[in-house]
Amino acid sequence: NAGVTQTPKFRILKIGQSMTLQCTQDMNHNYMYWYRQDPGMGLKLIYYSVGAGITDKGEVPNGYNVSRSTTEDFPLRLELAAPSQTSVYFCASTSAGGGGQPQHFGDGTRLSIL
Amino acid sequence: AQSVTQLGSHVSVSEGALVLLRCNYSSSVPPYLFWYVQYPNQGLQLLLKYTSAATLVKGINGFEAEFKKSETSFHLTKPSAHMSDAAEYFCAVSERSNQGGKLIFGQGTELSVKP
Repeated sequence: NAGVTQTPKFRILKIGQSMTLQCTQDMNHNYMYWYRQDPGMGLKLIYYSVGAGITDKGEVPNGYNVSRSTTEDFPLRLELAAPSQTSVYFCASTSAGGGGQPQHFGDGTRLSIL
Repeated sequence: AQSVTQLGSHVSVSEGALVLLRCNYSSSVPPYLFWYVQYPNQGLQLLLKYTSAATLVKGINGFEAEFKKSETSFHLTKPSAHMSDAAEYFCAVSERSNQGGKLIFGQGTELSVKP
């Protein structure tokens, strides 16, 4: 069982470029999340989805877009990369939004914007 | 708004010593509480969680945490540190009314273990 898979693992972008961070899970989880992790700041929620076709903003959505066309995939799009988006991005999933179900995390994408 | 505070961004202990990592939450209604561990260049791995059963929760790798409502705390402990425990630890909460399952994370505590 692969769990949550993120690609790429590392990427360097130039300011103004765009890219899509891929996330896929094979656990048939309805709920999926994107977080960014910055040193000393913990993880901040960017976007989340409660099922295919349904997405919503988290705490720090500016500069990002998401889509959820299938249960398995939840890509994160950066349209105009800015240095402030240099971060480590984590995708997570869980089977249910309530009841204290834990989230399962991918290994992250380390993104640098230069 | 719900918040999570982890006291101490860096904690250093000697091998074999007690590990104590502190976490306090802000809501008046006890949330669901989680501790995650992150090893270098990896994702987050669940250590343990509190939902509403026993207030003392046992997790993996010998860690445990005690939920104290009166102190709004969920501190993580391990009686005897091992070198392999060196990692970053995150406390996280999810409000019971939150059907989206969103997590709010503390700032993280980096644990160093000295030989």
